[in-house]
Amino acid sequence: DTEVTQTPKHLVMGMTNKKSLKCEQHMGHRAMYWYKQKAKKPPELMFVYSYEKLSINESVPSRFSPECPNSSLLNLHLHALQPEDSALYLCASSQGVDRDEQYFGPGTRLTVT
Amino acid sequence: QQQVKQSPQSLIVQKGGISIINCAYENTAFDYFPWYQQFPGKGPALLIAIRPDVSEKKEGRFTISFNKSAKQFSLHIMDSQPGDSATYFCAASIGGSNYKLTFGKGTLLTVNP
Repeated sequence: DTEVTQTPKHLVMGMTNKKSLKCEQHMGHRAMYWYKQKAKKPPELMFVYSYEKLSINESVPSRFSPECPNSSLLNLHLHALQPEDSALYLCASSQGVDRDEQYFGPGTRLTVT
Repeated sequence: QQQVKQSPQSLIVQKGGISIINCAYENTAFDYFPWYQQFPGKGPALLIAIRPDVSEKKEGRFTISFNKSAKQFSLHIMDSQPGDSATYFCAASIGGSNYKLTFGKGTLLTVNP
């Protein structure tokens, strides 16, 4: 099973709202990732968690706050977003940060109004 | 040096034809080259991947050809089907830090019936 699940599928939020995106995998993977993807562009790496600890932050604004409660779950907390933050947010996982084969979830389509 | 250049940007193929997408890289430290397939509104799905120690890898109708000296790799889709219509991304990463996938800009493939 190579499934990564994400909820919600769609999210519309105002610039003053606080919301969270959720990602889950049950493949025993120890690395999890958040990506942002704009239309007709490749995914852009945001954060990397390795063994539940944040190992990489690709200079992402603080209005995005990741959290890894356990080895299977990854959250992305959103606060005071801007309309330009509207995008498809993808979660991915792999066995480890030094191992290949990242598996992506279906994504959350975020619209900031 | 971190770029992966992908071509063409878009491709139209007749059903049953061969689709060919090319990627070129500069960084000789890259040693893992995956291809992802993405349907509209979905997350990228790992299609096939190759390492530089082999020149070709085939999985069903999908083949990666790798030319280490030319620093190029390509995806061939044999007997292309309308269901193959999607955006294809090539990517590359450096061993030991495979979290950092460098993506090409993507190719929109349309297979006409």
